[in-house]
Amino acid sequence: SQTIHQWPATLVQPVGSPLSLECTVEGTSNPNLYWYRQAAGRGLQLLFYSVGIGQISSEVPQNLSASRPQDRQFILSSKKLLLSDSGFYLCAWSVGFPGEAFFGQGTRLTVV
Amino acid sequence: SQQGEEDPQALSIQEGENATMNCSYKTSINNLQWYRQNSGRGLVHLILIRSNEREKHSGRLRVTLDTSKKSSSLLITASRAADTASYFCATVPSGSRLTFGEGTQLTVNP
Repeated sequence: SQTIHQWPATLVQPVGSPLSLECTVEGTSNPNLYWYRQAAGRGLQLLFYSVGIGQISSEVPQNLSASRPQDRQFILSSKKLLLSDSGFYLCAWSVGFPGEAFFGQGTRLTVV
Repeated sequence: SQQGEEDPQALSIQEGENATMNCSYKTSINNLQWYRQNSGRGLVHLILIRSNEREKHSGRLRVTLDTSKKSSSLLITASRAADTASYFCATVPSGSRLTFGEGTQLTVNP
């Protein structure tokens, strides 16, 4: 069966520090991969999506970047965090057009 | 910008009542999906309706799609306290960009 792993669950980082959030998928090949950010009580903002290794589409110009070094690994990074980077980050995968998406449990990032 | 917009933003009902949430979108779609999110957790897929379908059922869920009005509705019948969550619609306006609306916060009071 397919599973998605996203870690860590919570993270507190100082302003100006780097960030690396990792997401891995098991049990499927060539998935579409997504990073979303969610502010409290709001909807999901699509940050990046990838349809294959090395293929990254950026939705919002910002302080973040994404990479897909392996087929089922998606990494969200920042060289220097800003206070405005705080939020709930969600990784997801889907196959096909896309069809149904499967989400990780999310990372609560607080930049202090 | 968000592709889907849910209405209402918040809905509070009593157990046993039906809950209806609406979603409007802007561009043509291949399918529309509904998701549920419990507080502080990831989203869970509920149902997918294709552009050539008008209605779909899954247990206590009923989804309708009107492509001429670019709108969809999610009906939860005989609601339970455990249905309390945020509900989101999602569409793919282009490529593989799965985009979500702002969601409806549903509270079902026991």
